[in-house]
Amino acid sequence: GAGVSQSPSNKVTEKGKDVELRCDPISGHTALYWYRQSLGQGLEFLIYFQGNSAPDKSGLPSDRFSAERTGGSVSTLTIQRTQQEDSAVYLCASSSPTQVEAKNIQYFGAGTRLSVL
Amino acid sequence: AQKITQTQPGMFVQEKEAVTLDCTYDTSDPSYGLFWYKQPSSGEMIFLIYQGSYDQQNATEGRYSLNFQKARKSANLVISASQLGDSAMYFCAMRRGRQAGTALIFGKGTTLSVSS
Repeated sequence: GAGVSQSPSNKVTEKGKDVELRCDPISGHTALYWYRQSLGQGLEFLIYFQGNSAPDKSGLPSDRFSAERTGGSVSTLTIQRTQQEDSAVYLCASSSPTQVEAKNIQYFGAGTRLSVL
Repeated sequence: AQKITQTQPGMFVQEKEAVTLDCTYDTSDPSYGLFWYKQPSSGEMIFLIYQGSYDQQNATEGRYSLNFQKARKSANLVISASQLGDSAMYFCAMRRGRQAGTALIFGKGTTLSVSS
C-alpha cells in the first residue's frame, strides 16, 4: 500500500500478557517513529529508528517496552507484562530521507488501539 | 524545554465560515519546524501544513494557511470555507531538534466541529 500500515487495528489483552504491535512504513522511508496517544497524556514520542538502529529511545516508559526494526522496513513494538496504564493508541510514523532537513514530514498510520483489561 | 500549547479544547464553526485554531510554542533553538495535523475519527494523523522557523512567508496549502508570528511564538492554523469533512481533532506539533529524523512534540489538540 501507499501509506503506513499498522496491525492489528485493535488489540484487547489481559493484564500481565505480552503484546506485539506491527508497523509497515512507506516504502523507501528510512526513518520510523513510534508514538503513544492516551487520553490523559496526549501524543508522546516513544522511539525513533534510522534504518535498523534506534538512536533515540528516550521516550520508552519502562523496560517492559522494546522495539526492533528489521531489513530497514517493518518494525515491531513489544510490551511485556502489560499493565492497565498501557492502554492507549500506538501510532507509527515514517519519513523520507530525501526531504530537506527542516521539513521532514512524518506520515502516520491509523494506529493500534490497545486495551488492557 | 520545548513545549506546544493549544488552549482551545473545542471549536465550533458553521460551514463556509473561516476558523482559526491557536497554537503557541516554546523553544530556545533558532531552527525548528512547526506542523499541523488533522486526526479524524478514523484515527489516522493527516499532515496538513508546515512552517519552518526561517521561512519568510506564511505557509499555505489550499484552504489551510498558517499565521506564523515568530516574535509571539505563535503558529495559528486558519481554515477557510469550512466543510463538514473538516470536523476532526487538530494537532499542532514542533520538530524537537535540527536533524531530520528527530521526533515531534505535540500539543493537546483542538476538536473542531463544523455544522451545516
